[in-house]
Amino acid sequence: DGGITQSPKYLFRKEGQNVTLSCEQNLNHDAMYWYRQDPGQGLRLIYYSQIVNDFQKGDIAEGYSVSREKKESFPLTVTSAQKNPTAFYLCASSKSHTGGGEQFFGPGTRLTVL
Amino acid sequence: KQEVTQIPAALSVPEGENLVLNCSFTDSAIYNLQWFRQDPGKGLTSLLLIQSSQREQTSGRLNASLDKSSGRSTLYIAASQPGDSATYLCAVGSNDYKLSFGAGTTVTVRA
Repeated sequence: DGGITQSPKYLFRKEGQNVTLSCEQNLNHDAMYWYRQDPGQGLRLIYYSQIVNDFQKGDIAEGYSVSREKKESFPLTVTSAQKNPTAFYLCASSKSHTGGGEQFFGPGTRLTVL
Repeated sequence: KQEVTQIPAALSVPEGENLVLNCSFTDSAIYNLQWFRQDPGKGLTSLLLIQSSQREQTSGRLNASLDKSSGRSTLYIAASQPGDSATYLCAVGSNDYKLSFGAGTTVTVRA
């Protein structure tokens, strides 16, 4: 059963903590993405990766970090430097190696800062 | 920078009526355009993908058109049903892998 999984579904963070959100795909897609969604706003791109061991900053990368050691996995770390991390985080992947191919999304992780 | 706008932000229609959802974008040099559906608290489900060389794409009751020169796309949903109630998002793809999203139109179909 192919798809994208994200864990956990809900995550609570205390002030000053780093937390890591998991994203795994078994679609054999080359590219993976992390987006942030805030109420009433469109999705904003945090980081993306076109290939293993390579990734690029998106529009709102400050306070976040990623790694891409395996094709299937693209974890996102929300660091203490991110001042307003409460949001819904969505991971996506796409097959196309050049240009914006069709993107498929995971179920999301809702992060709340306590 | 690509700006994507979806108007109206919310729409309520009686069951059976056809839905027309609008999306406009500022830069016509696009790679593709994708329409998504999002249910509350859930991820995005891809509905239709239109490549820049295409004028429209159809899937069942859904039809999406693309007019690059005017910077517009329209999603038509025929004979709406209560199960069509959701938020519909338009996203414009560029050559550098990025998708630029609109804020979405929240649709309510009244039984």
